[in-house]
Amino acid sequence: NAGVTQTPKFQVLKTGQSMTLQCAQDMNHEYMSWYRQDPGMGLRLIHYSVGAGITDQGEVPNGYNVSRSTTEDFPLRLLSAAPSQTSVYFCASSGDYNSHEQYFGPGTRLTVT
Amino acid sequence: ILNVEQSPQSLHVQEGDSTNFTCSFPSSNFYALHWYRWETAKSPEALFVMTLNGDEKKKGRISATLNTKEGYSYLYIKGSQPEDSATYLCASHSGGGADGLTFGKGTHLIIQP
Repeated sequence: NAGVTQTPKFQVLKTGQSMTLQCAQDMNHEYMSWYRQDPGMGLRLIHYSVGAGITDQGEVPNGYNVSRSTTEDFPLRLLSAAPSQTSVYFCASSGDYNSHEQYFGPGTRLTVT
Repeated sequence: ILNVEQSPQSLHVQEGDSTNFTCSFPSSNFYALHWYRWETAKSPEALFVMTLNGDEKKKGRISATLNTKEGYSYLYIKGSQPEDSATYLCASHSGGGADGLTFGKGTHLIIQP
């Protein structure tokens, strides 16, 4: 199993550009989520999904869209990038409904200039 | 939004010494408490997920306890080794499981040889 994979690893965007961060897992996990990690802050939840076709907002959803058309994939879309979205983005999945133990991807480092 | 606090923020420990640090979380509507280990340039990896008051879990030299009534958890490392250097994150999960985790800012542990 590859686990949780994320692409790209690094990305530089200009303000106003849009892009999609890709996340995929091959563990047949129902639960997937996106976090951002900023200096001096903990991991903050952006959006999450409890299964295909179901998504919900986390703590910091503004400026981001998600969809979950398959169990495997959970892309994160930045509609119009802003410098405040410069961050490291982690995707995570969980297959255990009791514990929700998270399996994290390797992260995408995004810089918006 | 839950408020999860970790202390201390950073900690320098001599190799061979034992250490511990704290995670506090709101005790109302508690569902689970997670500990993750996060090494530099890697992704967070789960250490423990605890759900019951009085839970104690152990993995090698690392152990954790949970008090859900007063809202705190301790992580202990016995006989610290350089490879224990990492950031240790705790996260609280409330509301019966469907919501995402709320992470603390982490304790950055440095083991000095």
